[in-house]
Amino acid sequence: AQSVTQPDIHITVSEGASLELRCNYSYGATPYLFWYVQSPGQGLQLLLKYFSGDTLVQGIKGFEAEFKRSQSSFNLRKPSVHWSDAAEYFCAVGGSSNTGKLIFGQGTTLQVKP
Amino acid sequence: EAQVTQNPRYLITVTGKKLTVTCSQNMNHEYMSWYRQDPGLGLRQIYYSMNVEVTDKGDVPEGYKVSRKEKRNFPLILESPSPNQTSLYFCASSFQGAYGYTFGSGTRLTVV
Repeated sequence: AQSVTQPDIHITVSEGASLELRCNYSYGATPYLFWYVQSPGQGLQLLLKYFSGDTLVQGIKGFEAEFKRSQSSFNLRKPSVHWSDAAEYFCAVGGSSNTGKLIFGQGTTLQVKP
Repeated sequence: EAQVTQNPRYLITVTGKKLTVTCSQNMNHEYMSWYRQDPGLGLRQIYYSMNVEVTDKGDVPEGYKVSRKEKRNFPLILESPSPNQTSLYFCASSFQGAYGYTFGSGTRLTVV
């Protein structure tokens, strides 16, 4: 069965520091992987996605993620965090292009210190 | 503007009183889905639809119904709401599952 684990419930980083949010997935075939961000009181916005090909994917707002099949991971990174990045981040895994099933992790809340 | 529109944004109701949360998208998307969000549990998929008249259960379908009679609309129906259905609900749509969902702004439901 598909599942997603985000090991860190809460992370605090200083503004300007680098960021890495962890995501581990379980899926029997090639996964479709996503990162979403949710600002307080808002809906979810898609940051980036991975289907195939280059394992390092670029997204919006300066984020990137790297797919590592051997580690079943899809970690999100940003070289320099801005105060406006404070939000909740969700990793998600889907099965294929022709299904609407999408499983989310529990989320990681990012706090940014000035 | 391309968007997913949910109504209402906030709803307080009593146990057992049937309710419908509407969802509409203007992007001609094939796929639509409903999620509930609860603290510490992330988003859990309730139902999804891959086209008109094609729906399937997600991970937490109990107590919910959906219908997809038109491509743009995907209402969520609670026939007999209970307090454990108090949650934040999101509707989402996608051109194709793998392209990733576009989410609505959410409906905060309280069942007392």
